[in-house]
Amino acid sequence: EAQVTQNPRYLITVTGKKLTVTCSQNMNHEYMSWYRQDPGLGLRQIYYSMNVEVTDKGDVPEGYKVSRKEKRNFPLILESPSPNQTSLYFCASRFTDSGNSPLHFGNGTRLTVT
Amino acid sequence: GENVEQHPSTLSVQEGDSAVIKCTYSDSASNYFPWYKQELGKRPQLIIDIRSNVGEKKDQRIAVTLNKTAKHFSLHITETQPEDSAVYFCAAKADFGNEKLTFGTGTRLTIIP
Repeated sequence: EAQVTQNPRYLITVTGKKLTVTCSQNMNHEYMSWYRQDPGLGLRQIYYSMNVEVTDKGDVPEGYKVSRKEKRNFPLILESPSPNQTSLYFCASRFTDSGNSPLHFGNGTRLTVT
Repeated sequence: GENVEQHPSTLSVQEGDSAVIKCTYSDSASNYFPWYKQELGKRPQLIIDIRSNVGEKKDQRIAVTLNKTAKHFSLHITETQPEDSAVYFCAAKADFGNEKLTFGTGTRLTIIP
């Protein structure tokens, strides 16, 4: 089944404890992206990647890191999480083509930082 | 960069009535406008999209209209049903060299039985 898989689905951590949220897609998509969803703010892009070893900042990159060593994986790293990073996170992927192929989302990761 | 505004933030309609959600965008280079539906506790999923060379697109009870001159686009849902209750997001994307989708802030649609 074609899908974007995120892990974990739920995560509770403490301030300053490094964590990684994994994202993997099996559709051979070049483009991958991370969004955070907060009430009243919609979906805001954190980082994106156009292909392997190519990453760039989105609208809210502060406090986050990403890497794209393989085409299928795009982990989100919080080196020193803070309470304002408590949010619902979505990984998404799509083809980069002229036809505007749809963005496929993972199931989300609900992160709580205390 | 692109800025997408979405209204209303909440909308309640009687079952069987129509619902309309409106979005405006700022970047005249945007040429792709998808709509996503997010049911409670689930991921956003594409329900319909429109490209800048088309003024209107329909898919059964759902339609999207685009006015490039005014830089706004709208989602229309007719004969609403309880399963239409969800949060709806509009989005806009600029030309092919920039893959970023900018989302609106979402509309929580509630269908009243």
